[in-house]
Amino acid sequence: TQLLEQSPQFLSIQEGENLTVYCNSSSVFSSLQWYRQEPGEGPVLLVTVVTGGEVKKLKRLTFQFGDARKDSSLHITAAQPGDTGLYLCAGGEGSQGNLIFGKGTKLSVKP
Amino acid sequence: NAGVMQNPRHLVRRRGQEARLRCSPMKGHSHVYWYRQLPEEGLKFMVYLQKENIIDESGMPKERFSAEFPKEGPSILRIQQVVRGDSAAYFCASSTLASRYNEQFFGPGTRLTVL
Repeated sequence: TQLLEQSPQFLSIQEGENLTVYCNSSSVFSSLQWYRQEPGEGPVLLVTVVTGGEVKKLKRLTFQFGDARKDSSLHITAAQPGDTGLYLCAGGEGSQGNLIFGKGTKLSVKP
Repeated sequence: NAGVMQNPRHLVRRRGQEARLRCSPMKGHSHVYWYRQLPEEGLKFMVYLQKENIIDESGMPKERFSAEFPKEGPSILRIQQVVRGDSAAYFCASSTLASRYNEQFFGPGTRLTVL
């Protein structure tokens, strides 16, 4: 059974701080997606990484896919209250088919 | 800019009733996925459909749950004789055949409460 473990489960920081959240698995995935979900809403796709060692930047967010395609990290620079939400990673096999989700990291950024 | 649409957003049912959840995928998307999210849990895959076909239903309970994606109209997730344990948020996602990396786009979800 493929599993994705996310850490930390909860993170509460002050505005302006930097943070990193992790997504780890013992399985290899062909792609890994990061989503952000706000209360009462569906997950919103932030990025997809597909190549081992790949780094993608989205404004203050930096995503990295591990060399072996088993793990990923999300780094946020100078966090803002608008970054508050549940960050989910999801692994995929091939170009179609279901995604395997981690339980998420609940981030709270206080002004 | 029509994204994935789900309705109703909230649904309340009494034990033993039926729940029907609807999902319209993004324009141009022919693949639909249903996921269930319980409090403090990640999203769990239920079923994957293409038009008129169920591709993978390995995550769907064998009893009381069914799904369809007809040639015309939205995808429907149907739960018969609901029980309290069915209370959850149900999300639909869609993707395009042209997607190389399995990118799925989610709707806002239907929150089912069983009394």
